[in-house]
Amino acid sequence: DIVMTQTPVSLSVTPGQPASISCNSSQSLVRNDGKTFLYWYLQKSGQAPKLLIYEVSHRFSGVPNRFSGSGSGAEFTLKISRVEAEDVGVYYCMQSIQPPLTFGGGTKVEI
Amino acid sequence: VQLVESGGGFVKPGGSLRLSCAASGFPFSDYYMSWIRQAPGKGLEWVSYIGTSDSHTAYAASVKGRFTISRDNTKKSLYLQMNSLRVEDTAIYYCARETVDWGQGTLVIVSS
Repeated sequence: DIVMTQTPVSLSVTPGQPASISCNSSQSLVRNDGKTFLYWYLQKSGQAPKLLIYEVSHRFSGVPNRFSGSGSGAEFTLKISRVEAEDVGVYYCMQSIQPPLTFGGGTKVEI
Repeated sequence: VQLVESGGGFVKPGGSLRLSCAASGFPFSDYYMSWIRQAPGKGLEWVSYIGTSDSHTAYAASVKGRFTISRDNTKKSLYLQMNSLRVEDTAIYYCARETVDWGQGTLVIVSS
């Protein structure tokens, strides 16, 4: 199984300041056709997770452009350029290149 | 896109439950569908997915042989038959369209 390791586990941020979360996978998430199957989600308290970023760097519909994803191979980063109060919650990375699909342990972002 | 789960509840260890997910707002038969769960206060765990027909399925090791995923494209519905339930299966169960759009979940509690 592919192990997804997220750091940090928790992050205290100041509104208006940047924030960064790392996600490393135990093996490459790049398929033969060049697609990379790495996703980022945000789960706010009491809600279902919502997709932020797909295939490393593509913002999902309606996601503010302060969120960006980068990385390659097995090392990935989610950045928030200027954190807003509504960004609090738990962020998860996930791989779907092969079953079992696996998630990182989560990063709790607090203001 | 709307995904509405149902069928959760309280069951004793060894019991069974069948979860359903009613889909709308997209061509259901064109998409892979997944079940993902979250134990109380814990992270996310993928459970199973199914291809556009019943022919392609995959399961997490923790549920393989006990859970069965299926779909009815005519009813735009996804199902998860859960047998031999264990205390550690207690979780909110979410259905998802290709892990992109998620429902609000249904709670399953397994306890004696």
